[in-house]
Amino acid sequence: GENVEQHPSTLSVQEGDSAVIKCTYSDSASNYFPWYKQELGKRPQLIIDIRSNVGEKKDQRIAVTLNKTAKHFSLHITETQPEDSAVYFCAASMSGNTGKLIFGQGTTLQVKP
Amino acid sequence: KAGVTQTPRYLIKTRGQQVTLSCSPISGHRSVSWYQQTPGQGLQFLFEYFSETQRNKGNFPGRFSGRQFSNSRSEMNVSTLELGDSALYLCASSPKNYGYTFGSGTRLTVV
Repeated sequence: GENVEQHPSTLSVQEGDSAVIKCTYSDSASNYFPWYKQELGKRPQLIIDIRSNVGEKKDQRIAVTLNKTAKHFSLHITETQPEDSAVYFCAASMSGNTGKLIFGQGTTLQVKP
Repeated sequence: KAGVTQTPRYLIKTRGQQVTLSCSPISGHRSVSWYQQTPGQGLQFLFEYFSETQRNKGNFPGRFSGRQFSNSRSEMNVSTLELGDSALYLCASSPKNYGYTFGSGTRLTVV
């Protein structure tokens, strides 16, 4: 079936530490994997995405890695800051059609000053 | 450049009524997707439109429908509202198939 599992559901780190969020997808035809950040009361914002022909992508303090064989991908945030505190959602396209995204359940990240 | 605009922002409806939500995508974006967000179920895909055609549909009952106009603006309609339809409805647009930008959503409360 169409499913994306995301772990952990909550994550608390000290400012300056790294944070890692992991997702597993079920559809082997999935070829697009975005990550969204949603602050309380605000819209989800795309922070980074990766396509299946790439194994890793980095943007400043944020990186995403993809393992197609194992069907999992991860978000890495380095040097965390209090403003990184938010809910993070991973998503995967279904059946190779990027117009339909299935989201993970979300990870609440708390960065303690 | 204007973002994705959703109207109205808040809506209160009574069980059994119907509701129409509107989404204006970013200029030039032809793909529009709709999602339902609730605390218990997270973000769930409703449907996606591209050039006025529904390309994908999620696992929602037929009470949920949508359409897209020639200017890419999209509407979704929910008929015979149920209490469980209370949610934040989010619209997202993309120029093609990647990098969807979300609107701020319409918060629907069914009483």
